[in-house]
Amino acid sequence: RKEVEQDPGPFNVPEGATVAFNCTYSNSASQSFFWYRQDCRKEPKLLMSVYSSGNEDGRFTAQLNRASQYISLLIRDSKLSDSATYLCVVNDPRPSGSARQLTFGSGTQLTVLP
Amino acid sequence: GAVVSQHPSRVICKSGTSVKIECRSLDFQATTMFWYRQFPKQSLMLMATSNEGSKATYEQGVEKDKFLINHASLTLSTLTVTSAHPEDSSFYICSARPQGEGNYGYTFGSGTRLTVV
Repeated sequence: RKEVEQDPGPFNVPEGATVAFNCTYSNSASQSFFWYRQDCRKEPKLLMSVYSSGNEDGRFTAQLNRASQYISLLIRDSKLSDSATYLCVVNDPRPSGSARQLTFGSGTQLTVLP
Repeated sequence: GAVVSQHPSRVICKSGTSVKIECRSLDFQATTMFWYRQFPKQSLMLMATSNEGSKATYEQGVEKDKFLINHASLTLSTLTVTSAHPEDSSFYICSARPQGEGNYGYTFGSGTRLTVV
């Protein structure tokens, strides 16, 4: 089982639509959660952190359910510029005891159509 | 904000040659840097953790003799792909985090697209 699982998509939605992405993680000891955005052939960039109480940043809302080990991202009023791959990312303790490291999901591809 | 500079952005090399990729933290010191690899349509996979002044920690399945990591200063880590083969063609990305940022603030380099012919 993958440590972080996402629906790969692709999601093709019209401008203005609302779209939701889901993610599950396997390590119950995970403590920090993020959504990153990656444009084609570019490095990932932090979109938002995910807090237990849920958090919102403009058109983006992230939710975390620790009991279900489930993370979600909701994008409202989608724009053409939202087209990208969205990566669910978890910060895990490592068995070696070294610094916590990011574990990436395989990403969900979103295309917003005019 | 914290900036990580990665060079080169793109490299094409012949099979059997070695390629060095540099990752620099420009405005902060990084005792730890991370090296990832991403194949097409796949996610980033952690290859190794680079530790300043000590040996790198490699993930399972990553050959340490093939992917040489040097972290000689607090602002520079290098990854050398030795005796590169076409199957090593991939997108390599480094990441670092300023001290005191806790679990946040991971910054990525812009990546290096390696093509081995």
